[in-house]
Amino acid sequence: AQKITQTQPGMFVQEKEAVTLDCTYDTSDQSYGLFWYKQPSSGEMIFLIYQGSYDEQNATEGRYSLNFQKARKSANLVISASQLGDSAMYFCAMREGYSGYSTLTFGKGTMLLVSP
Amino acid sequence: AAGVIQSPRHLIKEKRETATLKCYPIPRHDTVYWYQQGPGQDPQFLISFYEKMQSDKGSIPDRFSAQQFSDYHSELNMSSLELGDSALYFCASSLRDKASYGYTFGSGTRLTVV
Repeated sequence: AQKITQTQPGMFVQEKEAVTLDCTYDTSDQSYGLFWYKQPSSGEMIFLIYQGSYDEQNATEGRYSLNFQKARKSANLVISASQLGDSAMYFCAMREGYSGYSTLTFGKGTMLLVSP
Repeated sequence: AAGVIQSPRHLIKEKRETATLKCYPIPRHDTVYWYQQGPGQDPQFLISFYEKMQSDKGSIPDRFSAQQFSDYHSELNMSSLELGDSALYFCASSLRDKASYGYTFGSGTRLTVV
């Protein structure tokens, strides 16, 4: 079974609008971490935001926030006030267990296109 | 701030040749990971090292091997290259006890096998 599911292959949004990228996960671990990465066309993988399974508050980093609904096993990324430079592939990823040496498992990604 | 350094950025090899990819993790990071990302695919975990010892193994072909050296840099060796090995290869590093700081990825090595 897929551990990370991103159901939106592509999303379109106009500049300055907010957009939500969906991510659901599957794990039986009590301790885990959820990550969002941005991959522009140049290829590098850029870390955006992290949510720990025990964090009670939703993570926020500037224009990025993570809507964490533990009971639903969802970790949606919200980008407020989209910019043209936000056009990229976005990956949701999960680390199972507490240790930082656990590997990351990625979803299939969502391609976001921001139009003027 | 220092980032994860990968070399080379681009590599073109012929079928059946060998390739060596290098990764220099962030200083003091104790764990290194290698990922392979095929065209239009999500990154797939290959192998990881913790304190220079192999710690986990993913879908790494037997034709590939990797090691981490005393200075913590890591090399991914790929032999008998096939067309299907064409991909973006990422190295990432992390600090074991600071998982919330994320896994920092290098810019990747784009390998093209012709």
